[in-house]
Amino acid sequence: GENVEQHPSTLSVQEGDSAVIKCTYSDSASNYFPWYKQELGKRPQLIIDIRSNVGEKKDQRIAVTLNKTAKHFSLHITETQPEDSAVYFCAASNYQLIWGAGTKLIIKP
Amino acid sequence: DGGITQSPKYLFRKEGQNVTLSCEQNLNHDAMYWYRQDPGQGLRLIYYSQIVNDFQKGDIAEGYSVSREKKESFPLTVTSAQKNPTAFYLCASSFGTTGIYTGELFFGEGSRLTVL
Repeated sequence: GENVEQHPSTLSVQEGDSAVIKCTYSDSASNYFPWYKQELGKRPQLIIDIRSNVGEKKDQRIAVTLNKTAKHFSLHITETQPEDSAVYFCAASNYQLIWGAGTKLIIKP
Repeated sequence: DGGITQSPKYLFRKEGQNVTLSCEQNLNHDAMYWYRQDPGQGLRLIYYSQIVNDFQKGDIAEGYSVSREKKESFPLTVTSAQKNPTAFYLCASSFGTTGIYTGELFFGEGSRLTVL
């Protein structure tokens, strides 16, 4: 079936450094790619999304890039801060959203 | 204050019992969803509904049932047929109905079910 692989499962970075989380999808018809952030004990919230007609999208310190040929997309967080600590989920959708397994991002002070 | 409300937040159940998790939204969204979240796994879709009085099975519907009698409400029943019901359950809604995912999902705070 369709699947989304997300790497790494855990990422630890020094405060102020950049973090990159990568996802690969299998359904070439996927056309919508959201990223959700779930802080400990809280609900997932959309932080950024991209559609297949766009290669890159930025929103302040976060950006998402999409490579349709390779069928992968990545989340980039620059100048990481303690409040970036959370689990991040990628997903890909043609008709149904398929979720990655999540990446636990740890920001070290 | 608009949003999605799930209740209860924590629930304990004995084996063989059915339990119902509540999900209410006042966002005027047409589409509603139930997900199951297990440690180290992504969100898995249980059921979804795009319109009142209609719902569809997701990837892991066995042992679960839902109803959509009102636009605002989408309760999930975890039946005794669900073999491994201990999990964190998330309800979500979205505005669009043309595809089942046409934009942002708004999640509730979740319900943690533990089977004793």
